[in-house]
Amino acid sequence: QQQVKQSPQSLIVQKGGISIINCAYENTAFDYFPWYQQFPGKGPALLIAIRPDVSEKKEGRFTISFNKSAKQFSLHIMDSQPGDSATYFCAASKDYGQNFVFGPGTRLSVLP
Amino acid sequence: NAGVMQNPRHLVRRRGQEARLRCSPMKGHSHVYWYRQLPEEGLKFMVYLQKENIIDESGMPKERFSAEFPKEGPSILRIQQVVRGDSAAYFCASSPSGRSNSPLHFGNGTRLTVT
Repeated sequence: QQQVKQSPQSLIVQKGGISIINCAYENTAFDYFPWYQQFPGKGPALLIAIRPDVSEKKEGRFTISFNKSAKQFSLHIMDSQPGDSATYFCAASKDYGQNFVFGPGTRLSVLP
Repeated sequence: NAGVMQNPRHLVRRRGQEARLRCSPMKGHSHVYWYRQLPEEGLKFMVYLQKENIIDESGMPKERFSAEFPKEGPSILRIQQVVRGDSAAYFCASSPSGRSNSPLHFGNGTRLTVT
């Protein structure tokens, strides 16, 4: 129940295309869903996050779609750029003082 | 405003030696988390600490691993009698509170290699 599943494992997109990464969870107590971006040799950095009381959140080219009934959420990267090439992790947390559970990651490559 | 600082960036230890990984959280952050990342894998939670207290150590092996976050100074992750399977990147993250929507700020990690 503590797992967060993520797909695909890897993704190749042409420049200007849309990148879509999907995550699913089981524990309905999760109430915060962030996405992190990690470049090689660096630590993960918070990209965008959503609470379950909204179905969509957009920040620039990045959008999170959230489906509470299906227990799924996804990251959409519009107009993907080579600089977006990185590993993306979805995560979930619940309550106060709880640790974050991370998905296994998606390696995105955006071709020029 | 300095981010989360981890040192050393790279650490090489022989089997049986001790590894000490240090993490200084962001200014004003009193909550620290340690995660382990194996190559091509995600982040696995190890331990969550608040100043002078271990809140959740459910992800940390019972033997050889310990963590502390003293009142003064950095958080320390200590691995005794290292084995080859301990080779990984260890990331520290901090947050200003333990609330679920308080984002984690990660350091750049310590890459431990056990020879």
